[in-house]
Amino acid sequence: QVQLVESGGGLVTPGGSLRLSCAASGFSFSDYSMNWIRQAPGKGLEWISFVSTNGNTKYYADSVKGRFTISSDNAKNSVYLQMNSLRVEDTAVYYCARRGWLHDFFDYWGQGTLATVSS
Amino acid sequence: QSVLTQPPSVSSAPGQKVIISCSGSSSNIGGNYVSWYQQLPGTVPKLLIYDNNNRPSGIPDRFSGSKSGTSATLGITGLQTGDEADYYCGAWDSSLPGFVFGTGTKVTVL
Repeated sequence: QVQLVESGGGLVTPGGSLRLSCAASGFSFSDYSMNWIRQAPGKGLEWISFVSTNGNTKYYADSVKGRFTISSDNAKNSVYLQMNSLRVEDTAVYYCARRGWLHDFFDYWGQGTLATVSS
Repeated sequence: QSVLTQPPSVSSAPGQKVIISCSGSSSNIGGNYVSWYQQLPGTVPKLLIYDNNNRPSGIPDRFSGSKSGTSATLGITGLQTGDEADYYCGAWDSSLPGFVFGTGTKVTVL
């Protein structure tokens, strides 16, 4: 069965960095685009980044552009999110999610990892 | 920030029907497919509807989706207490480019 397992969250001070990882299993990872989506405490869902199957196409939300970098490694069946210059408002649960086949929707989600930015 | 607008909350009695609206623009709902997600309290969001009106396997036919122009709706019939959750619409926005979620709607079963 499809599994997505995030890791790497934790507590960091403003201006610091975190690297999130998402390990995928149960499907042909290289056939699917992947995304990161976050949810601040008590708030709604916010899409933040997309990476294509070959890693050549990447998109970012304006809120993280220039600070976050998405990458993927098909050999390791993993997608990553490097988060730099973190702000208090980046505090959220971060989910990796698989893009559905052909069209833009998210058919499988990980359990999420919490990143807390606080002094 | 969300560019798709949903009502903050809807409610109805068990067995009844609720409809959740999702309003966008030509660059998102008007030109791309809509999906809907259910987030039960304390859990991970789950895909409910994709490509405007398709249900993944395992989603009961009490849930239905539709799209017209720059708006979409999610309908839930035969409302159950287990349907109490937050519901989000979403669509790709070609002008950004990026995916956008709705503001979210809390469904309460009275």
